[in-house]
Amino acid sequence: DAGVTQSPTHLIKTRGQHVTLRCSPISGHKSVSWYQQVLGQGPQFIFQYYEKEERGRGNFPDRFSARQFPNYSSELNVNALLLGDSALYLCASSLVGSNYGYTFGSGTRLTVV
Amino acid sequence: AQKITQTQPGMFVQEKEAVTLDCTYDTSDPSYGLFWYKQPSSGEMIFLIYQGSYDQQNATEGRYSLNFQKARKSANLVISASQLGDSAMYFCAMREVQGGSEKLVFGKGTKLTVNP
Repeated sequence: DAGVTQSPTHLIKTRGQHVTLRCSPISGHKSVSWYQQVLGQGPQFIFQYYEKEERGRGNFPDRFSARQFPNYSSELNVNALLLGDSALYLCASSLVGSNYGYTFGSGTRLTVV
Repeated sequence: AQKITQTQPGMFVQEKEAVTLDCTYDTSDPSYGLFWYKQPSSGEMIFLIYQGSYDQQNATEGRYSLNFQKARKSANLVISASQLGDSAMYFCAMREVQGGSEKLVFGKGTKLTVNP
C-alpha cells in the first residue's frame, strides 16, 4: 500500500512568485493536513482538510491557501512568496481521531531566493 | 493552547545503550494524546509511539517505550539498545482538538546521535 506522496520533492522559487505543492494521502484516509517546518524547528500546523472542507487553519497569512479534491488529494498554494517561506512542507494523512497518529510524506523542500 | 517542551537540543549515546529523550507538555484538556516521531535527514516524519491520557499502562513498541508521568506532565521516550540507524531528530507532539479540527502541536525536537 502506497504511503503519503508529495510532489515535487524540491523546489526553488523567486520572491513574489506563486507555488503549488501536491499531496496524495494513504488510500482510505479522508483527512489531510499541511505543516511548515523551518530549519531547526518542529513542524507548524497550516491547514486541515476533511471530506473536502477546511476544518482548521493555523496562524498563517492569507497568502497560504489549500484545497482538497474528491479523491482526497490536496494542494497547498502560496502566493507572493517571501524569503521566510523557505521551509520543508509536510503533508500528513490520517483517520480522524486515530491513535496511530498521522502518516507523513517526505515533504517538499521549498527554497525562495 | 497546548504546549510541548523538549529541553534537550542534542543527545549522544553509545551503540547498544539505552537513551531517554525528555518531553513535557501543558494542557487543560482532560483527554489528550501524545506522540513521538522520528525524522531522519530525508525529512519524513516517522510515527514511533502513542500514549493516551487515559491509558493505564505506559506504551511500548519494540525498542521504544514511553515513560508517561501524568502528574508531572511528562512523556519521555526511552530507546533501548540504540542502533546507528537511530541517529535522527526526535519530536514529541500532542494532538489538539478544537471545534471540529484536529492538529498536532510539536516540540522543537532533540537531535540524537548514536556513536559506534
